[in-house]
Amino acid sequence: NAGVTQTPKFQVLKTGQSMTLQCAQDMNHNSMYWYRQDPGMGLRLIYYSASEGTTDKGEVPNGYNVSRLNKREFSLRLESAAPSQTSVYFCASSGLAGIQETQYFGPGTRLLVL
Amino acid sequence: QKEVEQDPGPLSVPEGAIVSLNCTYSNSAFQYFMWYRQYSRKGPELLMYTYSSGNKEDGRFTAQVDKSSKYISLFIRDSQPSDSATYLCAMSEKWSGGSNYKLTFGKGTLLTVNP
Repeated sequence: NAGVTQTPKFQVLKTGQSMTLQCAQDMNHNSMYWYRQDPGMGLRLIYYSASEGTTDKGEVPNGYNVSRLNKREFSLRLESAAPSQTSVYFCASSGLAGIQETQYFGPGTRLLVL
Repeated sequence: QKEVEQDPGPLSVPEGAIVSLNCTYSNSAFQYFMWYRQYSRKGPELLMYTYSSGNKEDGRFTAQVDKSSKYISLFIRDSQPSDSATYLCAMSEKWSGGSNYKLTFGKGTLLTVNP
């Protein structure tokens, strides 16, 4: 049981390049999330998917697109990377921990945009 | 005023000390309260969650919620060097019109426990 996995672990892009961050979970969770974490800013929600086939914007969606490929996989795409998108990106899925639905995080992708 | 306020620290204590980490919030719709621990260059992992006002204990960790004051705390007894990490508080409310819960995180407090 791997939990939430993310690829790649680290990526360097030049301004204007595109890339897709991959996320997969094996916990049979319906909901999945993409966050970015920046120093002094905490975790901020980019997009989320409440269930297969649905996606919605979070707090900071500009410059990103997402695809919920199936129940297991949720990808984040940067169409034209900008230096402001340099960050650590975390994928999460949510399921029950006791009586409360809570979120389980992947190990993160460190992205540097030059 | 931000929905969740958390002192970023950093906080440095000697091994064996009692550590107190705190968050305040302004949104009365928050229903569940969680603490996540994040080791350097890793993803956050759930440490504890609580629902009602009062205390919840799990080994050396105690989570406390005071809904009337909109204040939550995490206490670590007999702190160990392995407790060195960033601790994030998180609070959940239902998405409007949906059955899923939205999490709002504090910015995290960096804790170092010195041997």
